[in-house]
Amino acid sequence: KAGVTQTPRYLIKTRGQQVTLSCSPISGHRSVSWYQQTPGQGLQFLFEYFSETQRNKGNFPGRFSGRQFSNSRSEMNVSTLELGDSALYLCASSLEGQGWEKLFFGSGTQLSVL
Amino acid sequence: DAKTTQPNSMESNEEEPVHLPCNHSTISGTDYIHWYRQLPSQGPEYVIHGLTSNVNNRMASLAIAEDRKSSTLILHRATLRDAAVYYCIRIISNFGNEKLTFGTGTRLTIIP
Repeated sequence: KAGVTQTPRYLIKTRGQQVTLSCSPISGHRSVSWYQQTPGQGLQFLFEYFSETQRNKGNFPGRFSGRQFSNSRSEMNVSTLELGDSALYLCASSLEGQGWEKLFFGSGTQLSVL
Repeated sequence: DAKTTQPNSMESNEEEPVHLPCNHSTISGTDYIHWYRQLPSQGPEYVIHGLTSNVNNRMASLAIAEDRKSSTLILHRATLRDAAVYYCIRIISNFGNEKLTFGTGTRLTIIP
């Protein structure tokens, strides 16, 4: 089985732009969650989608949004980029997401904001 | 905000047991504890999780204190492949919203 696939692997943007990141979960997995990883703040939970609906969310501002399609693929969008948004963005998938059972992570998208 | 604290780094000799601590003093009765580890240039990998009682799997054991304010991940016999950053995670439930709160991570170095 293929693992979780995130595209693109690297991305460079400038302040004020917006960006869309993509995540393809493991086949059959219906829950997709997103995370931000920075040297200063560590790993932080953004949100989780299940059956095309946002089911859980962390403490990020509304500039961070996401969606999930009927095939469970997910996208994350960040609008009006700030320098502090530079980070590794990780997504993870799981079968149903109940009780946050075993998550399978992708290798991430490294976003640099200049 | 809820705090989950871990030592920044630990060292262990190869083939010896390793005990990785995590403090979660504000934990509530329904918060699960999960452990993941991350190798360089990779996403985190699941290790183990539990709620109240001790848990074992083929990778590790999880010992949760009786008051649940701390937990310990136990690697029974460390190998060089166990060198990674280990994260303790709380699943916090609040009015129907569940949120993952990551610890700061412990960088484990295995000495051959």
